[in-house]
Amino acid sequence: DQQVKQNSPSLSVQEGRISILNCDYTNSMFDYFLWYKKYPAEGPTFLISISSIKDKNEDGRFTVFLNKSAKHLSLHIVPSQPGDSAVYFCAASVYGNQFYFGTGTSLTVIP
Amino acid sequence: EAGVAQSPRYKIIEKRQSVAFWCNPISGHATLYWYQQILGQGPKLLIQFQNNGVVDDSQLPKDRFSAERLKGVDSTLKIQPAKLEDSAVYLCASSIGTDSGELFFGEGSRLTVL
Repeated sequence: DQQVKQNSPSLSVQEGRISILNCDYTNSMFDYFLWYKKYPAEGPTFLISISSIKDKNEDGRFTVFLNKSAKHLSLHIVPSQPGDSAVYFCAASVYGNQFYFGTGTSLTVIP
Repeated sequence: EAGVAQSPRYKIIEKRQSVAFWCNPISGHATLYWYQQILGQGPKLLIQFQNNGVVDDSQLPKDRFSAERLKGVDSTLKIQPAKLEDSAVYLCASSIGTDSGELFFGEGSRLTVL
C-alpha cells in the first residue's frame, strides 16, 4: 500500500529555470512532511520540511508547498543548479513517527 | 558532529546464507530506524527503536529478519536465511526523538544476494 506517491520518476530542467517536484499522499492523518535529496552511493540528506499548520515553507532556493485538501505537496527549486541533480524523495508522517517515503524523482539539471 | 555510521558498505552473499549490518547513530539520538531500499523504490521502514525498545516492527519479515539495539545506542540488523529479494540497500537513520522530525541517514549497506 503506497501511501506516498511520486508519479514522475524523472525530470530534466535547464540550469537557471525552476524545478517542480510533486508528491501525493493518501493518508489524511499525515501532518508532517519532509523532502530528502540523495546522491548515488550516499544516504538521503534532509532538505526541507513542512507541518500541516502551514501551506508554505522557504529555505533559500527551496520552497515546499502543501495543499492539504488535495493531499499534495510540491518542492520548487529556483534557480536550478547542476549540483541539484539528484534523486528527491518526499516523506510523510503522523506526529513525526513512522515516516513513509515516496519512490523518488530523479532530477537532472542541464548546464 | 559525527554522522550515522554503518558497516559494512557492501556485502555479497549467496541465498540461504546469513548477514549482519551494524549501525551507530548520532550521539544523543534516542530514535533509530532501519529502512530497506530496493532499487527503484523509496525507503521502506523495517523497524523503529526508541532507546532500546521497539516502537514499530510491523513491516519486518520476522521469519528471517531480526534487529536489536542493546543499551539504546548502536544496533544490528540480521538476515537469516537470505533470499534473492533481500538484495537492497539497508539504511540506518536516527533522530533526536520520535516527534522531532528530521531523520539523519547513514550511507547505507548494499546487500547483493546471489
